[in-house]
Amino acid sequence: SSELTQDPAVSVALGQTVRITCQGDSLRDYYGSWYQQKPGQAPVLVIYGKNNRPSGIPDRFSGSSSGNTASLTITGAQAEDEADYYCSSRDSSGNHLVFGGGTKLTVL
Amino acid sequence: QVQLQQWGAGLLKPSETLSLTCAVHGGSFSAYYWSWIRQPPGKGLEWIGEINHRGSTNYNPSLKSRVTMSIDTSKNQFSLKLSSVIAADTAVYYCARGQGLSSWLDNWGQGTLVTVSS
Repeated sequence: SSELTQDPAVSVALGQTVRITCQGDSLRDYYGSWYQQKPGQAPVLVIYGKNNRPSGIPDRFSGSSSGNTASLTITGAQAEDEADYYCSSRDSSGNHLVFGGGTKLTVL
Repeated sequence: QVQLQQWGAGLLKPSETLSLTCAVHGGSFSAYYWSWIRQPPGKGLEWIGEINHRGSTNYNPSLKSRVTMSIDTSKNQFSLKLSSVIAADTAVYYCARGQGLSSWLDNWGQGTLVTVSS
């Protein structure tokens, strides 16, 4: 399968914890990566591999994986975390990269 | 610090060919796959394809018939051509550096808005 499925929208109260999920058959073979995109800006990688954060990404961002589901968790969400979040991975053939449809995170 | 700088024509007529180039400043050029991604206005990300330093390519099956990617290792640049554009190809186009088995994209260009309109 070449599809990754995300919930279109999620909300979280300021300072609380939120989990954003991504489902797809290929996630059984490949880790998901996570990108944050704010309006008018290019996406920024926030999680890759098993649970790795690029330099400069706050440690409140973490990743996990189980079966066909990859998850991005924000522990203690901040106002600046309000953004669109996309997962990506290789497809089951390994020959192509696929993105999820994106999740719009609102911090209340 | 790696920086990706991209450029190309921003306004095209239907049936014309989209052409974009991305220059990589800093870091190794040969150790990675180099991708193009697009994002129609108000919509999500779509992977177009990737190329490595040897010129080996992988393309999105939905665009494969119209996409050509090339690479110039002497200039640390890679390029995208998309032929026979239509209005639905209107999008912000990004170049990005990919690595790892799962191909995470750790550096992105600034994006180029390409509008297809008669």
